[in-house]
Amino acid sequence: GAVVSQHPSWVICKSGTSVKIECRSLDFQATTMFWYRQFPKQSLMLMATSNEGSKATYEQGVEKDKFLINHASLTLSTLTVTSAHPEDSSFYICSARAGLGRRQHEQYFGPGTRLTVT
Amino acid sequence: DAKTTQPTSMDCAEGRAANLPCNHSTISGNEYVYWYRQIHSQGPQYIIHGLKNNETNEMASLIITEDRKSSTLILPHATLRDTAVYYCITSTGNQFYFGTGTSLTVIP
Repeated sequence: GAVVSQHPSWVICKSGTSVKIECRSLDFQATTMFWYRQFPKQSLMLMATSNEGSKATYEQGVEKDKFLINHASLTLSTLTVTSAHPEDSSFYICSARAGLGRRQHEQYFGPGTRLTVT
Repeated sequence: DAKTTQPTSMDCAEGRAANLPCNHSTISGNEYVYWYRQIHSQGPQYIIHGLKNNETNEMASLIITEDRKSSTLILPHATLRDTAVYYCITSTGNQFYFGTGTSLTVIP
């Protein structure tokens, strides 16, 4: 399957600071990338959808000014958690979809980023 | 919101076939059935997907009923490494809304 990476794999930050998480599709061009959040013992919750070169579409209840998403190229999307608080501590996972060709309906997930806000 | 229902947990003996059911009675004509699995603290791994026909790949087989209201994922020879949470998702290929999934435990 296709490869999606995330960086960093884990991060600890102080309350009030901002944290940037990168998501890269390594062997295909991702027309669409998605960001999810997963709390312990819960399922993945979709936060937002981002298409290359356009503004992200956020799910209901997700604050767009707090979770800034940039999808500047076909291989890179970033999620910035601004003014992080302890309740933002979670496992953040991205996924990427090629949108074209044989694999156009497949979505590939990154390994996740564990964020801990102290 | 998730549009699929799955059993919360299942056990399977090592070497046996694991059959994981999923109900998706409100699936639309242009929605695919996707299966992913997640091992603890990792990102979900793609397994298989299908629209109407049964599908098979090196990992698993997907059986979709004729009315497309349910499906079954089959792991033909379960190993201990197949222990994971398995998610069944219906989607046009865009947004995925995950349900609670089935926690499969493969027993030695």
